[in-house]
Amino acid sequence: QVQLVQSGAEVKKPGSSVRVSCKASGGTFRSYAVTWVRQAPGQGLEWMGGIIPSLGTANYAQNFQGRVTITADESTSTAYMDLSSLKSEDTALYYCAIEAFAYWGQGTLVTVSS
Amino acid sequence: QAVVTQEPSLTVSPGGTVTLTCGSSTGTVTSGHYPYWFQQKPGQAPRTLIYDTSNKHSWTPVRFSGSLLGGKAALTLSGAQPEDEADYYCMLSYDDAEVFGGGTKLTVL
Repeated sequence: QVQLVQSGAEVKKPGSSVRVSCKASGGTFRSYAVTWVRQAPGQGLEWMGGIIPSLGTANYAQNFQGRVTITADESTSTAYMDLSSLKSEDTALYYCAIEAFAYWGQGTLVTVSS
Repeated sequence: QAVVTQEPSLTVSPGGTVTLTCGSSTGTVTSGHYPYWFQQKPGQAPRTLIYDTSNKHSWTPVRFSGSLLGGKAALTLSGAQPEDEADYYCMLSYDDAEVFGGGTKLTVL
């Protein structure tokens, strides 16, 4: 049974960057994409992008082009989501998911505040 | 970027049947959009109920089913239970992106 464990909550200043990690235990990424989804407080789900670790290629939502970078380290079964130039509107829960969204991480709260 | 539309809210009686729909601003939703349906309860991560239009996971209750209906993707709940009260999100795949709908708040009352 695959479990995804994400890094802890972050508080960041506007204009800074954040890195959220997502480690798979009880299995590996295999050939499935690792996807990142965020949810602002009281709002819906927003797809940010994904990567197929075995290929190393990522694609991103237009809304985040240039600000988000998704990477993965197959040797440690860990994926990373880097978001730069943070704004208050980036305050949200950030989730990773794998195996066609079958498994989800617990979510990481990123708060952007001056 | 395409816009995916869902009913903002729906109400169903216990034991009743309700259909949630998922439309696309680009036109008819097809199996090529690989529709997904997710359930999310307060304070929890989303849970996938349906993938690729109508496929279920081992944890998907039998009372949920997915289909294409009238140019949209549809999630039908037959025999609603109190525990089905939740937010439901659909997601469609396009050439270079996945797009979520705005979600449907389902009340069982």
